[in-house]
Amino acid sequence: GENVEQHPSTLSVQEGDSAVIKCTYSDSASNYFPWYKQELGKGPQLIIDIRSNVGEKKDQRIAVTLNKTAKHFSLHITETQPEDSAVYFCAASMSGNTPLVFGKGTRLSVIA
Amino acid sequence: DGGITQSPKYLFRKEGQNVTLSCEQNLNHDAMYWYRQDPGQGLRLIYYSQIVNDFQKGDIAEGYSVSREKKESFPLTVTSAQKNPTAFYLCASSIRGQGRHEQFFGPGTRLTVL
Repeated sequence: GENVEQHPSTLSVQEGDSAVIKCTYSDSASNYFPWYKQELGKGPQLIIDIRSNVGEKKDQRIAVTLNKTAKHFSLHITETQPEDSAVYFCAASMSGNTPLVFGKGTRLSVIA
Repeated sequence: DGGITQSPKYLFRKEGQNVTLSCEQNLNHDAMYWYRQDPGQGLRLIYYSQIVNDFQKGDIAEGYSVSREKKESFPLTVTSAQKNPTAFYLCASSIRGQGRHEQFFGPGTRLTVL
């Protein structure tokens, strides 16, 4: 089955700097890659996703890139703000009804 | 408001007791999921259901049971056979098929077994 590895497990950046979180996946059949943000004591919320027919997607300060050949995808947050501090999860799944497989998460701390 | 509700937010039980966690959604989603979250472990799939009266085991189903008698409800029972039940439990739902995969999560239930 699918296996998703996520790095780093913790990340600290200064406010205004960029943050990059990387994930690799094992199943070449996976074609949907979402990123979730989880604030303390809450459920995860989708922040951006990408499908395999696209190499990059951007939404304001957040972007995701996908390299299908290397089977890795990354989350980029620019101009970080204290409210970006949270745990971020990547995930992968195949099309249809296969459940998402999640990485173990990255705790991002933005230092003011 | 449309969304997923989980109750209660905090739950305490004595060791050896079964406990049922509630999950309700009014998004008209076909698929529903239960995840367990432990520190540093990410989200691990317990059970999922893609349609009423049908469900499949996830990666860590041992010691858990579910039912899906109604589209909007997917309760999870943590049985006494679950060796380490203290964790944060998350319920999610999604539209089945149609090329849509986005999962919407509930606020979670923190279960503590004393």
